[in-house]
Amino acid sequence: KAGVTQTPRYLIKTRGQQVTLSCSPISGHRSVSWYQQTPGQGLQFLFEYFSETQRNKGNFPGRFSGRQFSNSRSEMNVSTLELGDSALYLCASSLSVNYGYTFGSGTRLTVV
Amino acid sequence: GDSVTQMEGPVTLSEEAFLTINCTYTATGYPSLFWYVQYPGEGLQLLLKATKADDKGSNKGFEATYRKETTSFHLEKGSVQVSDSAVYFCALSAVNAGNMLTFGGGTRLMVKP
Repeated sequence: KAGVTQTPRYLIKTRGQQVTLSCSPISGHRSVSWYQQTPGQGLQFLFEYFSETQRNKGNFPGRFSGRQFSNSRSEMNVSTLELGDSALYLCASSLSVNYGYTFGSGTRLTVV
Repeated sequence: GDSVTQMEGPVTLSEEAFLTINCTYTATGYPSLFWYVQYPGEGLQLLLKATKADDKGSNKGFEATYRKETTSFHLEKGSVQVSDSAVYFCALSAVNAGNMLTFGGGTRLMVKP
């Protein structure tokens, strides 16, 4: 079966711009989570959506937002980009936490 | 808060050597524990998991046992291969944290032929 698909794979944006990243979970998975990975901070939880509702949110500023659609596809948006937002953004989907998460290949965002 | 501590890398081994990557955690209640692996340029792959004390997760020759008394989940493999070279992440999901994963800092493994 198809895995978690993230688009685009690479993005280059300028400071102050906004960006939208997309994630298509595995069919049947209703939980979608987003993580930011950087060399300095490691893997940090952004937020989790389940059935179009945000269930959990990490410690990130309000510039980071997300949503989930009725088909479980999810998007995350970062507004007013800063250089420090350069990172690999990973999406993961799951049936439930005890099954483990399946991660996508990520979107590498570079802010210049 | 919840946290995961892993041994710092890189860990460099020769092919067929024994591997241990240490992982300890701090969490309330009884978290589920995971090991994920990340190959260059890719996302994370679930390697193995354990959901209760004394459970042993295993996959592809890798093993880890959930030790509640020592709050540990060390990853082991009896004979590593060059293809095992990657970054390994220990993670937990606590009962009171919904579906959020808390990750350790990752351990880079380099296996030389």
